[in-house]
Amino acid sequence: SAVISQKPSRDICQRGTSLTIQCQVDSQVTMMFWYRQQPGQSLTLIATANQGSEATYESGFVIDKFPISRPNLTFSTLTVSNMSPEDSSIYLCSVALDRLVETQYFGPGTRLLVL
Amino acid sequence: KQEVTQIPAALSVPEGENLVLNCSFTDSAIYNLQWFRQDPGKGLTSLLLIQSSQREQTSGRLNASLDKSSGRSTLYIAASQPGDSATYLCAVRRGNNNDMRFGAGTRLTVKP
Repeated sequence: SAVISQKPSRDICQRGTSLTIQCQVDSQVTMMFWYRQQPGQSLTLIATANQGSEATYESGFVIDKFPISRPNLTFSTLTVSNMSPEDSSIYLCSVALDRLVETQYFGPGTRLLVL
Repeated sequence: KQEVTQIPAALSVPEGENLVLNCSFTDSAIYNLQWFRQDPGKGLTSLLLIQSSQREQTSGRLNASLDKSSGRSTLYIAASQPGDSATYLCAVRRGNNNDMRFGAGTRLTVKP
């Protein structure tokens, strides 16, 4: 298994600002992902964070809005840029230990409120 | 496009009751189906993983079934306890990659 921590756990931000969320894993993992969970809705995959290269974004998500870094096998960041109230969500980091992605482990999430 | 639906959205039961949570999906060509539990501030915890070739999985008081042809899965919780109170999420994977679709969840409250 993997133990995942996220910082911050929650934040309240002003419209137009940006917030960077950190994800730290206690062991090296092959795959790291970022999800969004809007109020009352299901989890939606934002992107797959690739070590040493640009993230792979899902339809509807773009790098300018959600830049992602993954400098090594245990750490990744997601930035929510130029925030609006519609960005208020829980953002979750997830990892898989191998490329088969049989089981994913999730971090505790970052609860973001944009005013 | 795979759509995953969970019914009911919320459920409140007295302690000790047996209960069933439902998950339906529109595309039967799935790789596996996973049930998660989500507690506030604690992320998701995997409960049961059912491969497409399996019909059910059991862990303690939990039993999950899968009927691919009808696009349904159920999570059965026996002798519910207040500690079972959480949101339960169903997710289906289309292939052995990260193409995973989540339902919106069922929020369960078990009253002492």
